[in-house]
Amino acid sequence: SQTIHQWPATLVQPVGSPLSLECTVEGTSNPNLYWYRQAAGRGLQLLFYSVGIGQISSEVPQNLSASRPQDRQFILSSKKLLLSDSGFYLCAWSAQNYGYTFGSGTRLTVV
Amino acid sequence: AQSVTQLGSHVSVSEGALVLLRCNYSSSVPPYLFWYVQYPNQGLQLLLKYTSAATLVKGINGFEAEFKKSETSFHLTKPSAHMSDAAEYFCAVSDPSASSASKIIFGSGTRLSIRP
Repeated sequence: SQTIHQWPATLVQPVGSPLSLECTVEGTSNPNLYWYRQAAGRGLQLLFYSVGIGQISSEVPQNLSASRPQDRQFILSSKKLLLSDSGFYLCAWSAQNYGYTFGSGTRLTVV
Repeated sequence: AQSVTQLGSHVSVSEGALVLLRCNYSSSVPPYLFWYVQYPNQGLQLLLKYTSAATLVKGINGFEAEFKKSETSFHLTKPSAHMSDAAEYFCAVSDPSASSASKIIFGSGTRLSIRP
């Protein structure tokens, strides 16, 4: 069966520090991968998606970047965090259009 | 372009009462539709999905939703609310004919509260 792992679960980082969130999928190959952000009291905002290794599409220009160095690995990064980067970050994978499977999320607080 | 509208950002019902969460969609093609549930500080979990088979879809935890093309709706219902149903619920739509990255469009969410 397919599983998705996302870590860390919580993170507190100072303004200006770098960020690296990792997401890995098991039990499937060539998944579509997604990064979403959920700010407090708001809906889901699609940040990046990837259809293959090295292929990244950005939905919203911002302080973040994404990479896919391996088929089942998706990384969200920032060189310098801003206060506005605080939120709940969710990774997800899908095959075709049959819905997403989400990771358990990372709560990022920038202080 | 596709979109989803969830009517009511917050719904409160009594334990044992009917749960009705409203979702209307806009799509130029026959869509796939989904309902997800999110408990505090957790990821989203798929409740049910409509993929052009039966219009009445049964999901987990006693929830079901009916696809009504004439009303462009996909409302989520549960006959009798339980305290454990308190969570955020998201309706979502995707284009089944889209190639490669099948981006799913999410609604803004409805927070369901259950009164004892």
